Amino acid sequence: AQSVAQPEDQVNVAEGNPLTVKCTYSVSGNPYLFWYVQYPNRGLQFLLKYITGDNLVKGSYGFEAEFNKSQTSFHLKKPSALVSDSALYFCAVRAFRDSNYQLIWGAGTKLIIKP
Amino acid sequence: DSGVTQTPKHLITATGQRVTLRCSPRSGDLSVYWYQQSLDQGLQFLIQYYNGEERAKGNILERFSAQQFPDLHSELNLSSLELGDSALYFCASSVTPSLSYEQYFGPGTRLTVT
Repeated sequence: AQSVAQPEDQVNVAEGNPLTVKCTYSVSGNPYLFWYVQYPNRGLQFLLKYITGDNLVKGSYGFEAEFNKSQTSFHLKKPSALVSDSALYFCAVRAFRDSNYQLIWGAGTKLIIKP
Repeated sequence: DSGVTQTPKHLITATGQRVTLRCSPRSGDLSVYWYQQSLDQGLQFLIQYYNGEERAKGNILERFSAQQFPDLHSELNLSSLELGDSALYFCASSVTPSLSYEQYFGPGTRLTVT
């Protein structure tokens, strides 16, 4: 079955330290992969995507993600965390489900950055 | 601000009732998506429209229906409401129907069924 997993419900990082939010996927064919962020009482905001090309993708707010085909992963990273990065992060992948292509979403990872 | 608007922001209604959620996409976007976000199911894709036509369907209940009008705004109709329909409903838009493009999300409508 096609799926996407975010193995950590919550990630705690001290301000200034590097952060990683993990995402693994299982889809047939070439994956389209996305990261979105959700702040409290707000809709989701696009951060970055991998469709094709360079495995290291740079996105908004200093975030980047690395596509690893052999490990079927697309982990989100940032070299130096800010308190304002605290939010809920979602990984999504294009999958064939219910007879059409759609985005399927991970359960989300709550990122807490402590001052 | 994503440019996607959703009304109402909150909706409280009783079981068995019918409600309509409205979405206006970002200027220039032709594709509209509807999602349901709940604590137990996470974020689930419901349905996609492109330029007035249904494009893709997720695991949408038969009690739910949607349409996209000529001015490109969309409405999601939920009928015979059950307690389990309580959730946050998001609309998103993109410039094309291709899933390779990012989607812009509205602020959501929080539906509470009592």
